[in-house]
Amino acid sequence: DQQVKQNSPSLSVQEGRISILNCDYTNSMFDYFLWYKKYPAEGPTFLISISSIKDKNEDGRFTVFLNKSAKHLSLHIVPSQPGDSAVYFCAASSRGIIQGAQKLVFGQGTRLTINP
Amino acid sequence: KAGVTQTPRYLIKTRGQQVTLSCSPISGHRSVSWYQQTPGQGLQFLFEYFSETQRNKGNFPGRFSGRQFSNSRSEMNVSTLELGDSALYLCASSPRWPGELFFGEGSRLTVL
Repeated sequence: DQQVKQNSPSLSVQEGRISILNCDYTNSMFDYFLWYKKYPAEGPTFLISISSIKDKNEDGRFTVFLNKSAKHLSLHIVPSQPGDSAVYFCAASSRGIIQGAQKLVFGQGTRLTINP
Repeated sequence: KAGVTQTPRYLIKTRGQQVTLSCSPISGHRSVSWYQQTPGQGLQFLFEYFSETQRNKGNFPGRFSGRQFSNSRSEMNVSTLELGDSALYLCASSPRWPGELFFGEGSRLTVL
């Protein structure tokens, strides 16, 4: 049972344009969402996060939108740059029984390629 | 500030053997968690430790175990290795939650 889904395995975008990566989740208990970027042979690098009390969070070129009713979040990158080419993972977390205990459920990832 | 350090980076084992992977979190981070990444299953949560106590555990068999030391360093152990255990094992540390996890570069295990 995949609780976090990234339905697009890959996405190709022209440099300078907007990249939109999508993520759907099924568990209504998730209350914190994150996006990570991963290059080959490296660990994931945190990009941006959003709490369920918000519907938008922005950090430079990256904006995350959360639609709780649709159980959907998206990451917008604008403008896209060649260095953005990587695999992007969305992840979700819920407040567990133990205060502060954290466990992330990851999507399968979307490979973003930025074409010059 | 040094990042999360994992050792060894690469290792090859044969079926039936056991393996121990080590993780040094970022200084001051008391929470350490482990994830397994495989092409078929993606990134899956193994367990999380805080102050030497396991707070959370994923759906992995008992062959997978871990521990955390008083200096927050953590180890994970996989006994009786199977071919399907071949994966990238990632360690992450966190200063607080909710927040972000800081990942190491991983230990790539190949089981032959």
